[in-house]
Amino acid sequence: DIRLTQSPSSLSASVGDRVSITCRASQSISNYLNWYQQKPGKAPKLLISATSSLQSGVPSRFSGSGSGTDFTLTISGLQPEDFAIYYCQQTYSTLLFTFGPGTKVEI
Amino acid sequence: EVQLVESGGGLVKPGESLRLSCAASGFTFSSYNMNWVRQAPGRGLEWVSSISTSSYYIFYADSVKGRFTSSRDNTRNSLYLQLNSLRGEDTAVYYCARVTGYYFGMDVWGQGTAVTVSS
Repeated sequence: DIRLTQSPSSLSASVGDRVSITCRASQSISNYLNWYQQKPGKAPKLLISATSSLQSGVPSRFSGSGSGTDFTLTISGLQPEDFAIYYCQQTYSTLLFTFGPGTKVEI
Repeated sequence: EVQLVESGGGLVKPGESLRLSCAASGFTFSSYNMNWVRQAPGRGLEWVSSISTSSYYIFYADSVKGRFTSSRDNTRNSLYLQLNSLRGEDTAVYYCARVTGYYFGMDVWGQGTAVTVSS
């Protein structure tokens, strides 16, 4: 099974900060890596697919990078509405679409 | 409006069964693979199952394999998840989600339906 780890598990930041979240896979997943944002009591929202492809309507302050086993989600200029939990997800293994444990971004 | 609406959740005892439904609207349901994802209280997301457009491919997480069955009815624009032999660790909010693109991102999600397994 492909396992994903995320670091940090939580972080505190201020509005306007640049924030980076790392997702590491236990084996190479090429660029089959998606990022989701989840706010309390809400369903997750797809932000980025294929490592770096921004979904329609997602602000350009969100960006993704990486390949193989190491991936990064960056938020450039944190906004109040960005405080949430962020999950990475690998879809390289179609038999098991695993999620990372999540990173909580707090004020 | 593109929408997914889950239903069927509730409180059941260990060992009992439940059938969840997900009604799709606003898009051509039969053209999309679909997933079930769950989230236990205070925990992260867990992928549960994927079903292809024609139900030819159906995959399950190891934690539910042999107990849960995913199905779909494209004539009714509906997705289903049959949950059997339920355990306490199956307590979660269950989401259905539309799968999009070559990289299988989930771009449309329902609001979720809560399943509680407790004696």
